Amino acid sequence: QVQLHQSGPGLVKPSQTLSLTCTISGDSVSSNSATWNWIRQSPSRGLEWLGRTYYRSQWYDDYAVSVKDRISIIPDTSKNHFSLQLNSVTPEDTALYYCAMYGASSNWFDPWGQGTLVIVSS
Amino acid sequence: QSVLTQPPSVSGAPGQRVTISCTGSSSNIGAGHDAQWYQQLPGTAPKLLIYDNSNRPSGVPDRFSGSKSGTSASLAITGLQAEDEGDYYCQSFDSSLTTWVFGGGTKLTVL
Repeated sequence: QVQLHQSGPGLVKPSQTLSLTCTISGDSVSSNSATWNWIRQSPSRGLEWLGRTYYRSQWYDDYAVSVKDRISIIPDTSKNHFSLQLNSVTPEDTALYYCAMYGASSNWFDPWGQGTLVIVSS
Repeated sequence: QSVLTQPPSVSGAPGQRVTISCTGSSSNIGAGHDAQWYQQLPGTAPKLLIYDNSNRPSGVPDRFSGSKSGTSASLAITGLQAEDEGDYYCQSFDSSLTTWVFGGGTKLTVL
């Protein structure tokens, strides 16, 4: 049974970098049958898929158009986790951030991490 | 404005049946992409409730059911219970936007 646990600061100053980590148990970040995703939730934007990383003989990543110039999702095989980095944040990036697994042969996000509320404020 | 449209709220008395609609378009649900439903109870992360339009993961009661027709999907909840109160979201993939999309969410109130 896969479980995802998130960690990282809940307060980030404007123009700085938001960094969150999602640690995987019960599977491997290098799995050929999963992708590892970040999704955020805010009152103004609802649930918004941000991006993913996955391994298929080599590492790939995909990002949402809305953040593609500011985002990186980085896997760490030694720690079996993947990280979100969102640069040059503004108050509009204030949201609940979730990591989630998406199976290679599925159409759904399951499971999800517990969520991290990130507030962008000076 | 979410790509998938849901009613903001629905309500029902304990034991009753409610349905939640999810209206998409020819580039997502209407293009043949499956719909998923997630339940988000207060203070918790979304949890998969229905996948591939009408399938329940292990552990989800059969009071919850899903269907799809044309460009829309629906979630039905029968025998409403107080613990069903929360937010419900639909999700699919959009071929035009080439991204996963969610509905704006529906708040279920058990009267």
